[in-house]
Amino acid sequence: QVQLVQSGAEVKKPGSSVKVSCKASGGIFRSHAISWVRQAPGQGLEWMGGIIAVFGTANYAQKFQGRVTITADESTSTAYLELSSLRSEDTAVYYCARHTGYHYSSYMDVWGEGTTVTVSS
Amino acid sequence: QSALSQPASMSGSPGQSITISCTGTGSDVGDYNSVSWFQQHPGKAPKLMIYDVTKRPSGVSNRFSGSKSGITASLTISGLQAEDEADYYCSSYTTSSTWVFGGGTKLTVL
Repeated sequence: QVQLVQSGAEVKKPGSSVKVSCKASGGIFRSHAISWVRQAPGQGLEWMGGIIAVFGTANYAQKFQGRVTITADESTSTAYLELSSLRSEDTAVYYCARHTGYHYSSYMDVWGEGTTVTVSS
Repeated sequence: QSALSQPASMSGSPGQSITISCTGTGSDVGDYNSVSWFQQHPGKAPKLMIYDVTKRPSGVSNRFSGSKSGITASLTISGLQAEDEADYYCSSYTTSSTWVFGGGTKLTVL
């Protein structure tokens, strides 16, 4: 049974950075890409970017270019999302999702439980 | 990349069928058979219901089906049940090697 376990809730000040983790259990970590998707309160889902774990190469949505970094640590089967220059509009639940294949062009089948990030002064 | 277009809300009575549309462009829905549909209940993570336009993951009821014509994908739920009340999101891979989601449809079972 594949599971994605995310790190706990965060409260951050505007202008700071946050790093959220997503640990995979079950399956072979390097065989699957990971994406990060966020959901602001009362809003829809928004894809932020994805990483090909076996190569460590990531692609980002244009909206977040320059502010987001997605990495993967194969030794711990953990993916990370780092978002910098936080503003109040970044307050959201951040989800990681596993792709069925090694490339993020394959569909997302397993999702983490979500990590709430609150940006407030 | 603009979000895919979905109706904001839909409703139906138990036992009825409803179809949720998802309209994109030639750079996403129209160019790939990589359309997925997710169900999300309040406070929960999204759940995959349909992938690759028409395929259903193991464990998902056969009351859920997907289709696509041109730049518009659709999710049909037949025999509506109370437990189907949720938000539904479509998503598509794009020519920019990114994913885009629809704005979501809130389904109410009357």
